Amino acid sequence: GQQVMQIPQYQHVQEGEDFTTYCNSSTTLSNIQWYKQRPGGHPVFLIQLVKSGEVKKQKRLTFQFGEAKKNSSLHITATQTTDVGTYFCAGISSGSARQLTFGSGTQLTVLP
Amino acid sequence: GAVVSQHPSWVICKSGTSVKIECRSLDFQATTMFWYRQFPKQSLMLMATSNEGSKATYEQGVEKDKFLINHASLTLSTLTVTSAHPEDSSFYICSARRSGQLYNEQFFGPGTRLTVL
Repeated sequence: GQQVMQIPQYQHVQEGEDFTTYCNSSTTLSNIQWYKQRPGGHPVFLIQLVKSGEVKKQKRLTFQFGEAKKNSSLHITATQTTDVGTYFCAGISSGSARQLTFGSGTQLTVLP
Repeated sequence: GAVVSQHPSWVICKSGTSVKIECRSLDFQATTMFWYRQFPKQSLMLMATSNEGSKATYEQGVEKDKFLINHASLTLSTLTVTSAHPEDSSFYICSARRSGQLYNEQFFGPGTRLTVL
């Protein structure tokens, strides 16, 4: 079955430093989504990428979808303490029943 | 808009009892709802896809007789954990996809934390 892997599992950064999490799928994806889950909370949708090589920005967050549509990345510039949480990528395989397969997540800690 | 609620938010029960969890889309209709479980510090694992008016589709390894799913209306899906055991203790999260929407965005409920003693 489809597998979605994410690295790193944990990341500690000093406030102001940059952060990147990487997502790799075992199969080609029709699209990929990113979610953020705060401690004790539920996942909140951030963005969806659909096109090969697509890059989208949301303020300090930059999302990229690979040319082969099998990998993606999320980059945060100049992290803030409000960025703390676990970031999940979730992919939908081409031809699947539009079910999301979640990556293992990257837990981000920002030290003040 | 696009708010999903879950009830209860937490429940503690004795081993062998059944627990029902409700998932409601408050301001939109959801043809499809999804049920996930999440163990501490782990990712979300899809348990089943719930389609309004039809039987749920369960993921491999998920016992359909143990995790009963009913999606009787466009705004409500329920998950019943039957004869719960301590290993069923987990965080159960539902999500809903808005009927007819172009994108696949899912809106997640706040989750239900189940503890089985």
